[in-house]
Amino acid sequence: GAVVSQHPSRVICKSGTSVKIECRSLDFQATTMFWYRQFPKQSLMLMATSNEGSKATYEQGVEKDKFLINHASLTLSTLTVTSAHPEDSSFYICSAEPIGQANQPQHFGDGTRLSIL
Amino acid sequence: AQKITQTQPGMFVQEKEAVTLDCTYDTSDPSYGLFWYKQPSSGEMIFLIYQGSYDQQNATEGRYSLNFQKARKSANLVISASQLGDSAMYFCAMREADYKLSFGAGTTVTVRA
Repeated sequence: GAVVSQHPSRVICKSGTSVKIECRSLDFQATTMFWYRQFPKQSLMLMATSNEGSKATYEQGVEKDKFLINHASLTLSTLTVTSAHPEDSSFYICSAEPIGQANQPQHFGDGTRLSIL
Repeated sequence: AQKITQTQPGMFVQEKEAVTLDCTYDTSDPSYGLFWYKQPSSGEMIFLIYQGSYDQQNATEGRYSLNFQKARKSANLVISASQLGDSAMYFCAMREADYKLSFGAGTTVTVRA
């Protein structure tokens, strides 16, 4: 089945550090990938839609300069949390939708637990 | 307005029994898709079942079935013969024309031996 690899799975770093998270579709191509944020015991909140070869589309209230998204190829999107602070600590998870399969589910990565000290 | 509503924050079910998780949705799109995902404590999102808005029959996948009542805008998940491994958070989600997924608040299911 379709697999999405997300790396790293866990990050602990100091305040002020920038952290890059990769989301890679291993056996399919995706023009669109999605980035979500999830606080403990809460739902997934869509942060942005990553579009291959063009700028990401951010949801209302998400700072585009804080959360940089790059979708340089049909199999890779990256989310960089710039100058991270403790309030950025959360679970970040990506998903990808295979090209031409509109009625198929999005495939999720295993998520990244980010802890900012 | 909330697009997906899950009114049950938590549920307990006895092993081998069935459990129904409620989900109602709100959309004006004629074409949409409804999904259920399972999220164990490790965090990964596991796709369970899909129902398209034009599907005439209720979706089934093994022990999972979706009770789709279009007029009532509900898409309840039924898990039959519960197993201890079913203990997890369950999310109902909807995809509309813009392909974005909207998630409900989730229901935590705890299966008791």
